[in-house]
Order: sequence, then structure tokens, then C-alpha cells
Amino acid sequence: QKEVEQNSGPLSVPEGAIASLNCTYSDRVSQSFFWYRQYSGKSPELIMSIYSNGDKEDGRFTAQLNKASQYVSLLIRDSQPSDSATYLCAVGDSGGYQKVTFGTGTKLQVIP
Amino acid sequence: DARVTQTPRHKVTEMGQEVTMRCQPILGHNTVFWYRQTMMQGLELLAYFRNRAPLDDSGMPKDRFSAEMPDATLATLKIQPSEPRDSAVYFCASVPGVGFYEQYFGPGTRLTVT
Repeated sequence: QKEVEQNSGPLSVPEGAIASLNCTYSDRVSQSFFWYRQYSGKSPELIMSIYSNGDKEDGRFTAQLNKASQYVSLLIRDSQPSDSATYLCAVGDSGGYQKVTFGTGTKLQVIP
Repeated sequence: DARVTQTPRHKVTEMGQEVTMRCQPILGHNTVFWYRQTMMQGLELLAYFRNRAPLDDSGMPKDRFSAEMPDATLATLKIQPSEPRDSAVYFCASVPGVGFYEQYFGPGTRLTVT
């Protein structure tokens, strides 16, 4: 069974700080990785995708991927109270069937 | 503004009743997923379709759940008979095409079975 592990949190950070969210995965041959944000009572929303080792930046968000360590992370710079949500890590199925496996999510709380 | 739509948004029903949930994927998206989300289990994949054909429904309790995609603009998930343990939020998501993994979620159907 392919697994995606995340710390459930809550992760509390003060406003303006960097929030660091981490995820490990079990499938060594996975090639596609995603971060979704889910506000309470809402549906998951795709915020980042990453396919190559290294960093990918989009505004205040940076996704980091290390395939050798089977590790993917999301950094949120200058955290805002509006960033308070649950962040889901998702890993694409290596079999090519467009499935992804979701982690259970990390709840982030940004304290004003 | 292209979005996945789901109906109904909320459903309260009694145990034993049939429940039908509907999903309209983003126009042109040919792969559709059904998920169930609970606090305890997180997001569980129930079934998914590509070009209206079922590819995998191994996550679905076969005795009571069924999923279909009668045309490219409609996917349905049916529970018959419903049970209290089916209470959850059911999400539909669609993907643009073969080779893409980015999933776009609908707003969900919150189901309560009493």
C-alpha cells in the first residue's frame, strides 16, 4: 500500500513567520507531487505541484522535493492568518493512471 | 469560470434510504474521481472514470455503493441502502486529460445519515 505521511499538527506559527510543512512518501518511483490547501468546511484546492528535485517558488509558497529521501515540503513565507488551513500532500501514482495518494493533512494555525 | 459542480450540497436522510449524488466535471476534463472524507480516515478514493469508463472502484463498498458516468458531463454516486457510517463529505474531482495529475475538486456533498 502506497503511503503518504504528514504530521497532523496543529502547527502554530506567528504572523509573518515561515511555516514549514513536511511530507514523506513510500513509492520510490513516484514522479509527481502536489500540495493542496483545505479551509474548514471547504474542498481541497491545488496550490503547488512539483516534479523535479529542488525548489519551486510561487509567490509566498516554495515547494521542495528530494526524491532520494522521499521527502517533499512546503514553505510559506510571511505567513498570514488567512493561511490557516489544513495542507494536504499528494503523490501521483507511478502506474500512470492519474491517481494520487493523499496524506491526512497538517493543520496550520497562523497566530496574529 | 470553469468549476466542478456537485449536487446536492447537503443531504440528510434516514438509514435505509437511497442517496444519489451528482457531479459535473469541468468541460473537457475526461477523468473523474469520487472521494469520501471523514475526520478519522481523511480523503479516501472510492472510484474513478476515464472517458466515462470505470477504471478503479476498489475503494467502494460494492454491496451498497455504485458509481456511473452516463455522459461526459455527469457522474453519479449512489448509496442504497444508506447507513449512519456513510455520513461524510463526498467530493468529486476532475483532471484535464491523460498525463495530468492535477485534480480540481467540487464543493462536496455533506451527507448525514440518521
